Amino acid sequence: DGGITQSPKYLFRKEGQNVTLSCEQNLNHDAMYWYRQDPGQGLRLIYYSQIVNDFQKGDIAEGYSVSREKKESFPLTVTSAQKNPTAFYLCASSPSAGVSYEQYFGPGTRLTVT
Amino acid sequence: ILNVEQSPQSLHVQEGDSTNFTCSFPSSNFYALHWYRWETAKSPEALFVMTLNGDEKKKGRISATLNTKEGYSYLYIKGSQPEDSATYLCALTNDYKLSFGAGTTVTVRA
Repeated sequence: DGGITQSPKYLFRKEGQNVTLSCEQNLNHDAMYWYRQDPGQGLRLIYYSQIVNDFQKGDIAEGYSVSREKKESFPLTVTSAQKNPTAFYLCASSPSAGVSYEQYFGPGTRLTVT
Repeated sequence: ILNVEQSPQSLHVQEGDSTNFTCSFPSSNFYALHWYRWETAKSPEALFVMTLNGDEKKKGRISATLNTKEGYSYLYIKGSQPEDSATYLCALTNDYKLSFGAGTTVTVRA
């Protein structure tokens, strides 16, 4: 089945450690996105990529990094510079980055940093 | 970041009753409005993408309207069923990015 996979579902890290969240899609979509959800807030965009080998900062990119070396993969690294990394992270993709394209979401990764 | 507000934050509706809730957004530089449904333990899924003022879209018992001049969209659920229980998110885009509201959580009581 086509879709987006994120792994792992739950992730625990010690403060000061970098951690990489996986996002893979087999929908042949050009655009991919990373969002963060905190309680009581809407999804906030961290990074997005319109095409392979290209990505742009979203609204809350500080303390995060991404790569887009393959069309199907868009891993997110949460660095030790991210002050409040504990959150629920969602990856999404769309056929193109155009405004009228709906986004398809993965199941999410809940990251807890202590 | 575009300011997208959804109200109410949550609501309870009796099975079989109809309900509606609001998404408000800045009316300037409008490109598109998205509605997503997010059921517990599942991924958000797209309901509608609306681009034109006066747009009305329908999927089964769920429909949405759009007023870009005054900056709001309504989502309607007709004859609510337990499977309609979810958080409904709206998102505004005026370039390649979506700005999401915090959502309206709907609980349908049997």
